[in-house]
Amino acid sequence: ILNVEQSPQSLHVQEGDSTNFTCSFPSSNFYALHWYRWETAKSPEALFVMTLNGDEKKKGRISATLNTKEGYSYLYIKGSQPEDSATYLCAFIRGSTLGRLYFGRGTQLTVWP
Amino acid sequence: GAGVSQSPSNKVTEKGKDVELRCDPISGHTALYWYRQRLGQGLEFLIYFQGNSAPDKSGLPSDRFSAERTGESVSTLTIQRTQQEDSAVYLCASSLETSGGAAQFFGPGTRLTVL
Repeated sequence: ILNVEQSPQSLHVQEGDSTNFTCSFPSSNFYALHWYRWETAKSPEALFVMTLNGDEKKKGRISATLNTKEGYSYLYIKGSQPEDSATYLCAFIRGSTLGRLYFGRGTQLTVWP
Repeated sequence: GAGVSQSPSNKVTEKGKDVELRCDPISGHTALYWYRQRLGQGLEFLIYFQGNSAPDKSGLPSDRFSAERTGESVSTLTIQRTQQEDSAVYLCASSLETSGGAAQFFGPGTRLTVL
């Protein structure tokens, strides 16, 4: 069993707050780490694909960092907006099973206006 | 089409019946994936295709589950003799390749309910 852990499980913030979540994954046999956003009644949407230790990616107000040696990634949202409300999923890919994503259970973010 | 499409969007069936779920990937995407999400659970990998071949079928939960892909395009997931524990949202995704460095594009899912 390959464990990908995400914390917190859920988060409620006020509009304008900045927030961050954590994804933990096995540090051995790392190949890539994906982040997806899944809004209610929509399909999961890719945010970032990260492959290198120390990677930092940014898309608008959302950014992510990657530490493959210790097995974690952080997702940051600056100045949260109600439209950021969604479940944020991370998925780990190991080198021996390319093509297979191991998903965490997600962090459910609710941003109150 | 512009995105990944799946049909039907909803399927209600009786225990013991067979069901077929269809996925149309983005044109040109060689990789296709099937996942499911049961109530209260995370996304669970089922199978992926590189072209028409399935290198990794290890996620299929039982021999009642099978999948095929033809013409490096449409894929069908078949569940035989459905059981109540098969109730889930079944998601299909496609990507340019399967190295893991390419983002996956997901369809809207098929919600399967087994009575």
